[in-house]
Amino acid sequence: GEQVEQRPPHLSVPEGDSAVIICTYTDSATAYFYWYKQEPGAGLQLLMSVFSNVDRKEEQGLTVLLNKKDKQLSLNLTAAHPGDSAVYFCAVRGSNAKLTFGKGTKLSVKS
Amino acid sequence: EAAVTQSPRNKVTVTGGNVTLSCRQTNSHNYMYWYRQDTGHGLRLIHYSYGAGNLQIGDVPDGYKATRTTQEDFFLLLELASPSQTSLYFCASISFRGTQYFGPGTRLLVL
Repeated sequence: GEQVEQRPPHLSVPEGDSAVIICTYTDSATAYFYWYKQEPGAGLQLLMSVFSNVDRKEEQGLTVLLNKKDKQLSLNLTAAHPGDSAVYFCAVRGSNAKLTFGKGTKLSVKS
Repeated sequence: EAAVTQSPRNKVTVTGGNVTLSCRQTNSHNYMYWYRQDTGHGLRLIHYSYGAGNLQIGDVPDGYKATRTTQEDFFLLLELASPSQTSLYFCASISFRGTQYFGPGTRLLVL
C-alpha cells in the first residue's frame, strides 16, 4: 500500500527565515495532496490541497511544490513567524481513496 | 454549514470495556475515515467507507470494528478495549472531488 515518508521530524528556524518540509510517496496513481497544521491540543487545520495536475501552488506565504517524477511533495513557509510554530502533516490520497499521512514535522520558529 | 462532529469528545473506560465512538457529517460526502493519532506515528488509518453499508480496512484495523449506517454516520467500535487503544481519534469526510473536513477529535483513555 501507499507509504508516505515525511522529513525532517523536527525543524527549528529563526523568525523571517523559510522552512521547508518534504514528503515522499510511493503510489504513482496518487491524485490528491494535502498539507495540514496542528497546534497543541487542537485538531487538524487544512492549509492547502493540490490536485495531481498542479506542479506549484502558492497561498498566503505558503508554497506547495509537486514533483510527480520523483513522487515528492514539499511545503515551503516563506518568512516564518512564531505563530507558524506547530506540527505539520502531509497526506496523500490515492486511487483507492485511502488518505495516508506522513508522521509529521514539528516546526519551531524562534523570535 | 459543512461540518464533522464527533462524540463523545472525551471517554474513559477500563480494559475489556465496550466503547463506541460516533462521527456525523453534514457534507453529503461519500467517503468517511477513522484515524488514531499517537505521538511519533502521526495519523494512522483504522477504517474507512465509501458509503452506507460499505467498509474498507485501513492500516491499523486490529481491535476495531466500524459501521457506516447512513451517508452521515460512521461508528468506530472497540468491543474489548485495551490500554494500547488509548489515543486521540479523528473522523473525516471527503467528497469525491477531494474536499474534506476533519472532526475535532475524541480522546480515549483505557485504564
